[in-house]
Amino acid sequence: AQSVTQLGSHVSVSEGALVLLRCNYSSSVPPYLFWYVQYPNQGLQLLLKYTSAATLVKGINGFEAEFKKSETSFHLTKPSAHMSDAAEYFCAVSDRAAGNKLTFGGGTRVLVKP
Amino acid sequence: DTAVSQTPKYLVTQMGNDKSIKCEQNLGHDTMYWYKQDSKKFLKIMFSYNNKELIINETVPNRFSPKSPDKAHLNLHINSLELGDSAVYFCASSQDLRLTGELFFGEGSRLTVL
Repeated sequence: AQSVTQLGSHVSVSEGALVLLRCNYSSSVPPYLFWYVQYPNQGLQLLLKYTSAATLVKGINGFEAEFKKSETSFHLTKPSAHMSDAAEYFCAVSDRAAGNKLTFGGGTRVLVKP
Repeated sequence: DTAVSQTPKYLVTQMGNDKSIKCEQNLGHDTMYWYKQDSKKFLKIMFSYNNKELIINETVPNRFSPKSPDKAHLNLHINSLELGDSAVYFCASSQDLRLTGELFFGEGSRLTVL
């Protein structure tokens, strides 16, 4: 079965600094990988996804992620953090064996300091 | 126009009661889901339906019964509520069962069992 591990449940960055959120996956087949963001008291919304095309994926709000098969990683980055980036971020993998079932990581809360 | 809407947003109830959460999507999607987010923000799929047919039924107590009267609606009924059922329940939809598809989430229904 697929699984996802997000390293660090909390990340604190200064406004303007690099945001790096780590995600490692486990999958017996080539995975489809996603990053979702959850703002306070809201549902999740898709930031970006990797579906076996380009390994560097660009998403909304200046975020991007790189799929590295050799490292089984799909880390999320943004060059310059903005106060509005404060949210919970979830990495997820699609389970091909179970009809579009998304397995989520435990989430990483991002705090942006002025 | 809210794409995926859930009602109610908040539910506070006593142990042993029965409650329902309703979900509607106006995106014309074929597939709908229920996810549970616990107090540690961990998200886990409970059910998915495709065109009113049950596709995923995770290991969920049979006190939880989903119902999909049509492909735009997926309701969740919970019998004999327990303290451990306290969580935020998210409804989501996707265009179809393709693994690369984006999930669109509702804003969540926060259930508190006293």
